[in-house]
Amino acid sequence: GENVEQHPSTLSVQEGDSAVIKCTYSDSASNYFPWYKQELGKGPQLIIDIRSNVGEKKDQRIAVTLNKTAKHFSLHITETQPEDSAVYFCAASRGFGNEKLTFGTGTRLTIIP
Amino acid sequence: NAGVTQTPKFQVLKTGQSMTLQCAQDMNHEYMSWYRQDPGMGLRLIHYSVGAGITDQGEVPNGYNVSRSTTEDFPLRLLSAAPSQTSVYFCASSRDRVNYGYTFGSGTRLTVV
Repeated sequence: GENVEQHPSTLSVQEGDSAVIKCTYSDSASNYFPWYKQELGKGPQLIIDIRSNVGEKKDQRIAVTLNKTAKHFSLHITETQPEDSAVYFCAASRGFGNEKLTFGTGTRLTIIP
Repeated sequence: NAGVTQTPKFQVLKTGQSMTLQCAQDMNHEYMSWYRQDPGMGLRLIHYSVGAGITDQGEVPNGYNVSRSTTEDFPLRLLSAAPSQTSVYFCASSRDRVNYGYTFGSGTRLTVV
């Protein structure tokens, strides 16, 4: 089955700086790569996703890049703010959607004021 | 819309007891899933359903049963609780399995003693 590795497990950045979280996946047939943000005591929330026919996608301060050849994808957050502090999960699935999503182990991002 | 509602929020069970974790959504979503979240392991898929009357196993289905008699409800049953089932359980739904991301509930924290 699919295996998704996520790094780093913890990340601290100064407010205003950029943060990058990286994931690798094992199944070359995977086509859908979402990112979820989980705040303390809440369920994960989808923040951005990308499909294999696209190399990069941006939404305001958040961007995701995908390298299918190398089987890795990354989340980039620019101009970080205190409300960006949370745990971030990457995920992958063979279909083009949610069916049997495999999640990474999470990155705890802390923004230092 | 209430979104995805999970009950109870907290539960303590004794080994061997059975119980049902409730999940209800009011968004008319076809696709629903149950995940468990353990420290350092991300979220792992237990069972999922693509519509009323249809369920299938995920990555870690042993010890759990599900049914989907209506579009709205997707309960998760623990048949005979074991300490290894101590975890935080999340229910999630999406409009379909391809075009929309998950909406997660706020979770049930289960402790088996």
